[in-house]
Amino acid sequence: DAKTTQPNSMESNEEEPVHLPCNHSTISGTDYIHWYRQLPSQGPEYVIHGLTSNVNNRMASLAIAEDRKSSTLILHRATLRDAAVYYCILRDSGAGNMLTFGGGTRLMVKP
Amino acid sequence: DTAVSQTPKYLVTQMGNDKSIKCEQNLGHDTMYWYKQDSKKFLKIMFSYNNKELIINETVPNRFSPKSPDKAHLNLHINSLELGDSAVYFCASRGTSGSYEQYFGPGTRLTVT
Repeated sequence: DAKTTQPNSMESNEEEPVHLPCNHSTISGTDYIHWYRQLPSQGPEYVIHGLTSNVNNRMASLAIAEDRKSSTLILHRATLRDAAVYYCILRDSGAGNMLTFGGGTRLMVKP
Repeated sequence: DTAVSQTPKYLVTQMGNDKSIKCEQNLGHDTMYWYKQDSKKFLKIMFSYNNKELIINETVPNRFSPKSPDKAHLNLHINSLELGDSAVYFCASRGTSGSYEQYFGPGTRLTVT
């Protein structure tokens, strides 16, 4: 399985942008890059996904390197409610399209 | 309405007992999953069902038996509970749209004493 590497934790100030990095140097050509987040005491929540091009949605933006070996999740204005563990995942497009979660990055947002 | 619901939210039981966790999704999805999140917070896939049929069975002891009575339900039955089974169990479902986004339930915290 292709794996991802993320920093264990990051800190941000409220209302400032946050850039969460992810390395996936062994990504294959058909792997999609998914981001999920898990708020305290809740199940994981889908954030965004992409294949090659940068993506934007109401929650975040995803910037994908040209060689696809890394990506960055961008929260444009962090709020206290964005404090969570953020997981960068390569979706296995094989049977079941299962997600393999790594350790994720714990984002702390300071007021 | 909750998209993916699980019952119970908390489950405390003794070693050796048999227990079940129920999961229901009202999203009309074809695929459902069970994940286990241990004390170190790692989330691991356990099972995947598609249209009531088992698709993936990761390395899980056969004391764990998923049952899917219909497309909207995927229950998890655990026999002879052990201390190491203590964890949070999440159910999830996925549609067949292009995004393959998974929707997770709120989790069931199982404590085996």
